[in-house]
Amino acid sequence: EIVMTQSPATLSVSPGERATLSCRASQSVNSDLAWYQHKPGQAPRLLIFGASIRATGVSARFSGSGSGTEFTLTITLLQSEDFAVYSCQQYYNWPLTFGGGTKVEIK
Amino acid sequence: QLQLQESGPGLVKPSETLSLTCKVSGDSIISSLYYWGWIRQSPGKGLEWIGNIFYSGSTHHNPSLKSRATISVDTSKNQFSLNLSAVTAADTAVYYCARVYCGGDCYDYFYYYMDVWGKGTTVTVSS
Repeated sequence: EIVMTQSPATLSVSPGERATLSCRASQSVNSDLAWYQHKPGQAPRLLIFGASIRATGVSARFSGSGSGTEFTLTITLLQSEDFAVYSCQQYYNWPLTFGGGTKVEIK
Repeated sequence: QLQLQESGPGLVKPSETLSLTCKVSGDSIISSLYYWGWIRQSPGKGLEWIGNIFYSGSTHHNPSLKSRATISVDTSKNQFSLNLSAVTAADTAVYYCARVYCGGDCYDYFYYYMDVWGKGTTVTVSS
């Protein structure tokens, strides 16, 4: 099983600033990586697939990068609606696995 | 607009079977482009993939659940279901259903990420 590790667990950021989230895979997943945003009581939302391709309707303030084992999600000009939990998921191999999540909170 | 809605009991007794249904509206569950999946999140933990099902009935499962999970599909009702047997407190979680995109025709493409999710339903295992 491919283990996905996200860091930090919690990130405190002021509105208008940039947030950089990390996701590491225990072995290479090529670019078979997705990022999701989730908030309590709401349906999780796909942000990025293919490591760097924004899903339909996702703001350009969200960008993904990386390949192999190291991935980054960057959120620029943080807005109030961006404070949430972000999870990465690999779909390179079975079973599909997620990281533990990074909570982006208001500083 | 595609919507997924989970339903089922919020409280299940230990050793019993947890049964959930995901009703799909806004599009047909019969599509060669998508699987349909179940994911859960236990308190304080990350998301855990449970399994996927194709409209034909073909499935993928997470071996960590040791065959306790059974996923089925009812195309006439445009819904799919999860049965998880012999539950324990460790199965307490928010359970989500999701549409799983293959990246193209599922007979030819093998990328499995969740492009539409339900809001989730909380299931507590307790006597």
